[in-house]
Amino acid sequence: EMQLVESGGGFVQPGGSLTISCAASGFTFSSFEMHWVRQAPGKGLVWVARIKSDGTNTGLADFGQGRFAISRDNAMNTVFLRMDNLSPEDTAVYYCARRQSYSDIWRAPAPRYFYFMDVWGKGTTVAVSA
Amino acid sequence: DIQMTQSPSSLSASVGDRVTIACRASQNIGTYVNWYQQKVGAAPKLLIYAASTLENGVPSRFSGSGSGTDFTLTISRLQPEDFATYHCQQSSTFPWTFGQGTKVEIK
Repeated sequence: EMQLVESGGGFVQPGGSLTISCAASGFTFSSFEMHWVRQAPGKGLVWVARIKSDGTNTGLADFGQGRFAISRDNAMNTVFLRMDNLSPEDTAVYYCARRQSYSDIWRAPAPRYFYFMDVWGKGTTVAVSA
Repeated sequence: DIQMTQSPSSLSASVGDRVTIACRASQNIGTYVNWYQQKVGAAPKLLIYAASTLENGVPSRFSGSGSGTDFTLTISRLQPEDFATYHCQQSSTFPWTFGQGTKVEIK
């Protein structure tokens, strides 16, 4: 069974740091791009970060630039999100998700590649408060 | 960033009803839209990708349509287990963005 399990969430004071982790099992982790998505209490989903399968390329939402860093250890089947200088606005459930792809290879003149998040963890809660 | 606007924000419906949720993108995104279902206290679950392709194992009462800027998720005959919040998401351009969600409640 494909599974993602987040851990490392907790309470942190404003300005503090936290690293959360996501352990994968049941699929070839090193073949998939991984993402983090967060959800503040009572709010919608917000994309946070992504990392390519080999870790060579990453991307962050604007609010995470200069504060967040995504990394992965393919030997440990784990993706990480380090968050520095946290503020109360970062309070949320953080989900990791696997990016899957689909191509309509039969389409002329050129196929399209579609990307979506098909496996999600249950999330880890980060609460930033004084 | 591409804005995704869902309507309505919430709706009340009965078991057996046909339910339609709309999602509008702030610019042309082709068919790069995905739909997720989220129940209270749970992670999102993929329902539909590429605007209209049903994920494996998702009941056929769910369907998606649209292209360009206007998209629709339809539940043909609402079942008790379908009461949840539904999110659209664009994967045309980073940052990926989601709609604000549509909560489907029991009438």
